[in-house]
Amino acid sequence: GAGVSQSPSNKVTEKGKDVELRCDPISGHTALYWYRQSLGQGLEFLIYFQGNSAPDKSGLPSDRFSAERTGGSVSTLTIQRTQQEDSAVYLCASSPHRAGTDTQYFGPGTRLTVL
Amino acid sequence: LAKTTQPISMDSYEGQEVNITCSHNNIATNDYITWYQQFPSQGPRFIIQGYKTKVTNEVASLFIPADRKSSTLSLPRVSLSDTAVYYCLVGRTGANNLFFGTGTRLTVIP
Repeated sequence: GAGVSQSPSNKVTEKGKDVELRCDPISGHTALYWYRQSLGQGLEFLIYFQGNSAPDKSGLPSDRFSAERTGGSVSTLTIQRTQQEDSAVYLCASSPHRAGTDTQYFGPGTRLTVL
Repeated sequence: LAKTTQPISMDSYEGQEVNITCSHNNIATNDYITWYQQFPSQGPRFIIQGYKTKVTNEVASLFIPADRKSSTLSLPRVSLSDTAVYYCLVGRTGANNLFFGTGTRLTVIP
């Protein structure tokens, strides 16, 4: 079946502009994660959605970052007034959320470059 | 929050067995241990997951001692295509702020 998809694959924007990144999880997966990965670094957790519950936003680096998940499926990560330090690959993952385990299936990521 | 510590990098020749150890001293009772593999320009890919003792699949083995404060990913007879970054992740379903760390960069040499 289809895996996690993300769009766009690449985004170049100017400092101060807003950007929206999209994630389509695997059908039926109730859990959805956003991560950020800077060049040569590990993954930085941003936000987690589980079903219709309120997301935990404690990983978001600033109030310029927000995310929503509509209908328990597609998610959008929005970065307002982008800064150069926001340049990174943004990865989305989904999980079937089986009890006790949480195998995550990752998308290919969106490479964001802020000029 | 169960953070993990792994070697930054490892080199191995083709055909050898590679063991990558991850330390997770603060692992909680309900935490599972999961290993992911990441190739350049791709998202991480699940390799193996375990809770205690030993788990084996078609790709790798995972050894977890009784105290669960560490785990070892074992890759049998590595090939050039196994060159990647390997992440150890400790957590449980629904856990927030999951910590991937910087991973171990494995380079397989011909």
